[in-house]
Amino acid sequence: DQQVKQNSPSLSVQEGRISILNCDYTNSMFDYFLWYKKYPAEGPTFLISISSIKDKNEDGRFTVFLNKSAKHLSLHIVPSQPGDSAVYFCAASVGYGQNFVFGPGTRLSVLP
Amino acid sequence: EAQVTQNPRYLITVTGKKLTVTCSQNMNHEYMSWYRQDPGLGLRQIYYSMNVEVTDKGDVPEGYKVSRKEKRNFPLILESPSPNQTSLYFCASRTGQGVGYTFGSGTRLTVV
Repeated sequence: DQQVKQNSPSLSVQEGRISILNCDYTNSMFDYFLWYKKYPAEGPTFLISISSIKDKNEDGRFTVFLNKSAKHLSLHIVPSQPGDSAVYFCAASVGYGQNFVFGPGTRLSVLP
Repeated sequence: EAQVTQNPRYLITVTGKKLTVTCSQNMNHEYMSWYRQDPGLGLRQIYYSMNVEVTDKGDVPEGYKVSRKEKRNFPLILESPSPNQTSLYFCASRTGQGVGYTFGSGTRLTVV
């Protein structure tokens, strides 16, 4: 049973519009969440994080929202650019734990 | 350049033939970890290490061994590979207070 779920395997968005990637988790002990981006033939790269004491964290075009009661987080990319086309992984841990549990990923395609 | 280096990038081997995937980081990170990525399952942690001579099992350790004799190196050993270990493997490292892991570029292993 997956503890971190990304129910959309893929998402296509027009350049300049908003991309919204969703992630749901089942373990209520998770209190630290990260998003990674992965290009083909490369390792994942860290994008943005949020701890459970916050409900929002921004970094440039990227914003992560956390809804603890719904056990849901989302990554917003505004505006979307073709270079954002990649697979995005959501990950969760208990504190700064060693075992980050990853979701299966969502492939984002930003169309010119 | 700060990086995590894995070798080889691609490997095809036969069932039962022992192999080692090397991993080295040049950032003086305390924590290192191995993950495997399989379609629909995201990244799953195999083993991790909090420092030299300190290793522990992740979620899917069966069939794997690791060692941490030096801070910079964290090899993954498959004593008797089987076809179900065909996967994409990532090594990663971070500092003790680091936000997220820095990943290597991956090793695609095929066991026939």
